[in-house]
Amino acid sequence: TQLLEQSPQFLSIQEGENLTVYCNSSSVFSSLQWYRQEPGEGPVLLVTVVTGGEVKKLKRLTFQFGDARKDSSLHITAAQPGDTGLYLCAGLKGGKLIFGQGTELSVKP
Amino acid sequence: SAVISQKPSRDICQRGTSLTIQCQVDSQVTMMFWYRQQPGQSLTLIATANQGSEATYESGFVIDKFPISRPNLTFSTLTVSNMSPEDSSIYLCSATGGVGQPQHFGDGTRLSIL
Repeated sequence: TQLLEQSPQFLSIQEGENLTVYCNSSSVFSSLQWYRQEPGEGPVLLVTVVTGGEVKKLKRLTFQFGDARKDSSLHITAAQPGDTGLYLCAGLKGGKLIFGQGTELSVKP
Repeated sequence: SAVISQKPSRDICQRGTSLTIQCQVDSQVTMMFWYRQQPGQSLTLIATANQGSEATYESGFVIDKFPISRPNLTFSTLTVSNMSPEDSSIYLCSATGGVGQPQHFGDGTRLSIL
């Protein structure tokens, strides 16, 4: 049983479209981190959300932490081919990161 | 943020052999971790590397198969012992300044066992 359910697992869209990735859990997390990983590299931290209801923006990326700190979403506006990669959410629980399954995003020009 | 260097970046090994992966952080960090990742999939925590004491292993991972050392605050090694094709994976090191601090990753070691 996956503690942190991430969806969708695969997403292929055209340049300029919007998309949302979801991470859901029945557990409460101290914080939630979003990473992006490209082939041959390690995950790179995009953002950490800590407070329930928190919203953070990073250029065209908007991250939201649920009020109950059990879920989070990543919304990308006007996706570009450079956004292609594996997006991972990870919840902090007991001092350890628990990762979702990942979302493989492909943005076609 | 801390810069984390792993080596080797990749290796191809024979069944039954062992390989030690090194992880070096450019600043003192509180916690270091080792993960395994199948290509295109998510990360699974193997263990927490504790400085000066035995690592703390997650369910499904044991010290005999994945011995870990952490002699100081900036360096750790993971050995994959008696390798089989099922051990083919990406092994990643990460580090953080403390609980609640951002966790940063190395670029991983891509391991293939023939």
